[in-house]
Amino acid sequence: QVQLQESGPGLVKPSDTLSLTCIVSRHSIRGSDWWGWIRQTPEKGLDWIGFIYYSGTTSYNPSLGHRVTMSVDTAKNQFSLSMRSVTAADTATYYCVRRLWADRINNWGQGALVIVSS
Amino acid sequence: ILMTQSPATLSASPGESVTLSCRASQGVNNNLAWYQQRPGQAPRLLIYGASTRATGISARFSGSGSGTEFTLTISSLQSEDFAVYYCHQYADWPPEDTFGQGTKVDIK
Repeated sequence: QVQLQESGPGLVKPSDTLSLTCIVSRHSIRGSDWWGWIRQTPEKGLDWIGFIYYSGTTSYNPSLGHRVTMSVDTAKNQFSLSMRSVTAADTATYYCVRRLWADRINNWGQGALVIVSS
Repeated sequence: ILMTQSPATLSASPGESVTLSCRASQGVNNNLAWYQQRPGQAPRLLIYGASTRATGISARFSGSGSGTEFTLTISSLQSEDFAVYYCHQYADWPPEDTFGQGTKVDIK
């Protein structure tokens, strides 16, 4: 069973950059899958941030894309999220996920709470 | 694509059956999944392809629909079924997934 584990700071200052990494276990990241990030807040629910393929091809949520960069490290079997110029509105639980190529999100990490506060 | 779930909250008793609805603002064929989320946990895949149960999911969960209208039915509610349920469309290419706002099933 694929395992996904988020890691990164739980507290980020306003206007700084939020950085998270997802370590993938028991499955090669070099497969026919999209790897992505979804965040959740009580107010907005589940909000897709973006997906990346192991080749580096990306698809970002248009509402966030100008602040988001995703990258993949195939040697370490992990992928990362960078979100610039964060505000309190970016406070959320961030999940990394595995999405099948033209299909469902099949696996979720346990989630990482990120609070944006000075 | 905007996904709208109804109702926002549904109160039911153990043993009852309930039906949750999800509507897409445009057709998504059968590219629709349902997830269950219990407090403090990540969402768990229940249904994909609108009607296919994921591995290990009880037959008490069934999905139906196509195009813009979808339903999730939970029969004979058990205590572990009281949770929040989300629908998710994955029809766009390149992927631009969207989720419904969720339906909370709580104990009457």
